[in-house]
Amino acid sequence: AQKVTQAQTEISVVEKEDVTLDCVYETRDTTYYLFWYKQPPSGELVFLIRRNSFDEQNEISGRYSWNFQKSTSSFNFTITASQVVDSAVYFCALSEAVGSGYSTLTFGKGTMLLVSP
Amino acid sequence: DAGVTQSPTHLIKTRGQQVTLRCSPISGHKSVSWYQQVLGQGPQFIFQYYEKEERGRGNFPDRFSARQFPNYSSELNVNALLLGDSALYLCASSLIAGGGTDTQYFGPGTRLTVL
Repeated sequence: AQKVTQAQTEISVVEKEDVTLDCVYETRDTTYYLFWYKQPPSGELVFLIRRNSFDEQNEISGRYSWNFQKSTSSFNFTITASQVVDSAVYFCALSEAVGSGYSTLTFGKGTMLLVSP
Repeated sequence: DAGVTQSPTHLIKTRGQQVTLRCSPISGHKSVSWYQQVLGQGPQFIFQYYEKEERGRGNFPDRFSARQFPNYSSELNVNALLLGDSALYLCASSLIAGGGTDTQYFGPGTRLTVL
């Protein structure tokens, strides 16, 4: 069975600090997808990134960057120069590609990020 | 374009009652998935529908049921409510079957409180 572990329950930083959110996953499949979602206090999950298991290139989008390492089954998320608006719960999720059938997301428990001014 | 919409926003019910939650997917999306998120946890998969057919079901009791309509909107029904059903219910839409080959986009959720 697939599993996602986000060991950091809560992280507090001061604005402009860099912060890394850790994600470790378990799957027996060779084809799978990894996601990060942001959940602000309003509750809606906001999609941030999708990465497939064959693409280990790191990605940068503005202040956000992701580091995917299959060797350690990790998909970490770094926010550079954090801002108060980054305060939210961040979820890492795993999905296995299932041919013509369906596939669903398995989420970690989330990491709450608090950015203070 | 409008995102995923859900109604109602909040709902308070008592034990034993029944509830219906509604979801409208992003225009053009044919798949809808439902997730339950209890406080302090990540969302847990309940159902997935594609083209009006149930594609998958998570580990939830038969008190939970769902359906998808010809316009791809969906309803989640929960019968004989228990206190433990109190949670945020999230609907996600995707172009096709969702998950791996397709990104799921989430709505704002319906917060259900069972007293």
